[in-house]
Amino acid sequence: QVQLVESGGGAVQPGRSLRLSCAASGFTFSIYGMHWVRQAPGKGLEWMAVMSSDGSNEYYADSVKGRFTISRDNSKNTLYLQMNSLRAEDTAVYYCAKDDDGSGNSQLGFWGQGTLVTVSS
Amino acid sequence: DIQMTQSPSSVSASVGDRVSITCRASQGINSWLAWYQQQPGKAPKLLIYAGSSLQSGVPSRFSGSGSGTDFTLTISSLQPEDFATYFCQQSNSFPFTFGQGTRLEIK
Repeated sequence: QVQLVESGGGAVQPGRSLRLSCAASGFTFSIYGMHWVRQAPGKGLEWMAVMSSDGSNEYYADSVKGRFTISRDNSKNTLYLQMNSLRAEDTAVYYCAKDDDGSGNSQLGFWGQGTLVTVSS
Repeated sequence: DIQMTQSPSSVSASVGDRVSITCRASQGINSWLAWYQQQPGKAPKLLIYAGSSLQSGVPSRFSGSGSGTDFTLTISSLQPEDFATYFCQQSNSFPFTFGQGTRLEIK
């Protein structure tokens, strides 16, 4: 069965960096686009970034452009999110999600359980 | 960016009731709209995609309609497990955007 397991979250001070990972299994990772979506405590969903199946295309939300970088290693079935210059407002549960298409331009058909990132001094 | 506005923000209903939630896009998105259900403390789950297509395994009491700027999610007969928060999301263009959510509560 499809599984997405996020890791790498935790507490970090403002201005520092963190890298999240999302380990995929149960499907052919290399043919699907992948997304990161976050949810601040008690708030709604905020789309962050997407990468196409072959890594050739990536797009970001304005709120993280220039600070966050999405990447993937299809040989390891793993998606990453490098987060730099973290701010208090980046505190959230971060979900990785599988797109239903290779381009990453479709609906988010399956989500991981999320990893919590807390940015605080 | 395309803004997605859901209404109502919250709704109270009883088991067996029919409930509709609307989602309006700030510009036309054809039928590139999905609906998700989120239970407390859980990850979102895809219910409807392409405006009206039912995701595999989702009960047929869920349905979606609309195109362009106005969309509706309808639950025909509420079951206890349907009390959750629902989000719409457009995939017409990047950045993808979500509605603010509709909390469905037990009356």
